Amino acid sequence: QQQVKQSPQSLIVQKGGISIINCAYENTAFDYFPWYQQFPGKGPALLIAIRPDVSEKKEGRFTISFNKSAKQFSLHIMDSQPGDSATYFCAASLSGANNLFFGTGTRLTVIP
Amino acid sequence: DTGVSQNPRHKITKRGQNVTFRCDPISEHNRLYWYRQTLGQGPEFLTYFQNEAQLEKSRLLSDRFSAERPKGSFSTLEIQRTEQGDSAMYLCASSRTGGNQPQHFGDGTRLSIL
Repeated sequence: QQQVKQSPQSLIVQKGGISIINCAYENTAFDYFPWYQQFPGKGPALLIAIRPDVSEKKEGRFTISFNKSAKQFSLHIMDSQPGDSATYFCAASLSGANNLFFGTGTRLTVIP
Repeated sequence: DTGVSQNPRHKITKRGQNVTFRCDPISEHNRLYWYRQTLGQGPEFLTYFQNEAQLEKSRLLSDRFSAERPKGSFSTLEIQRTEQGDSAMYLCASSRTGGNQPQHFGDGTRLSIL
């Protein structure tokens, strides 16, 4: 059973555009929601994370929007660049637990 | 901060052989995690350690999988009697102790079963 559902599976965006990736979860006990970026042949790298007591968090060109009532969160990449082309994973974990539940990933391609 | 180091990067073996992977965490991190990632999927949690204690192992995929962290520093993941379905990327991550500390991943060991 997929604890975190992620969409779209793939995304193509023009350079300078906004990339939006969405995730949804069912377990209301989740209280930590990180996003990871993964390049081919590399491990996932933490991009940005949010806790459910805030609705938005921004770090540079990356913003997480969080909707607790809808049990959804999304990653927005502003001014997308070709170097952002990678696979992005959302994840969630329970307070006090240590395992992350990952989404299935979104392959982003930014066209010059 | 030298990052999480995993060896080997690639392992090719015949079905039925045993394989062992090593993970060296970030030095000040007490927690160490193992995940498996198959093609087109997100990482799947297997087990984790707090120092040398293995605190969660119920998600190890079968009794052919085992992990150790004998001195609370590096860890090894062993797969006995490998099967075709074991082909995957095996990722290690580490973090500080405490609620929801960021997990930092290594670049993984890619296992291919012939």
